[in-house]
Amino acid sequence: AQSVSQHNHHVILSEAASLELGCNYSYGGTVNLFWYVQYPGQHLQLLLKYFSGDPLVKGIKGFEAEFIKSKFSFNLRKPSVQWSDTAEYFCAVNGGSNSGYALNFGKGTSLLVTP
Amino acid sequence: KAGVTQTPRYLIKTRGQQVTLSCSPISGHRSVSWYQQTPGQGLQFLFEYFSETQRNKGNFPGRFSGRQFSNSRSEMNVSTLELGDSALYLCASSFEGLTYNEQFFGPGTRLTVL
Repeated sequence: AQSVSQHNHHVILSEAASLELGCNYSYGGTVNLFWYVQYPGQHLQLLLKYFSGDPLVKGIKGFEAEFIKSKFSFNLRKPSVQWSDTAEYFCAVNGGSNSGYALNFGKGTSLLVTP
Repeated sequence: KAGVTQTPRYLIKTRGQQVTLSCSPISGHRSVSWYQQTPGQGLQFLFEYFSETQRNKGNFPGRFSGRQFSNSRSEMNVSTLELGDSALYLCASSFEGLTYNEQFFGPGTRLTVL
């Protein structure tokens, strides 16, 4: 079955620390990849997306992600986190010939950034 | 441009009742998808509508249904509510183009089943 796995469920970092959140998927064929963020009390927002081309994609607020096809991975990174990055982060995949616009989400990673 | 709107924002129902949730997509967006978000299962795809037709369906029982109107607005209905249906229900809309476009999410409807 197609699935999306996020390796870390809870991450606690100090401000200015570097962040890397892992995401792996089990899809064959062409995929569209996303990272969404949900700040406390707010709705899901798109951080970045990969459809094709350069596997290193840059998103909003200094986030970037790298698509490694051979590893079926799409890890999210940020060199220096801020307290305002405290949120829940979701990796999502759209893929398969009959998937339409449906997104398959990972379980999410809750990030707490301490001052 | 206004975002995706969902009504109502909060609902409290009792077991056995039914509920209808509404979603208005971003103007010009014709694809509407619904997701259920719970602490245990995370975000799960319910169904997707385009041009008033259900295009995809997730792995949910038949008690969960939806529809889309000619103006792209969508509703989802849950009949015979169970305690486990308590969740945040999210609607997302997309612009249908030649290639895939990202989904924009609404704030959700928080359903509590007592």
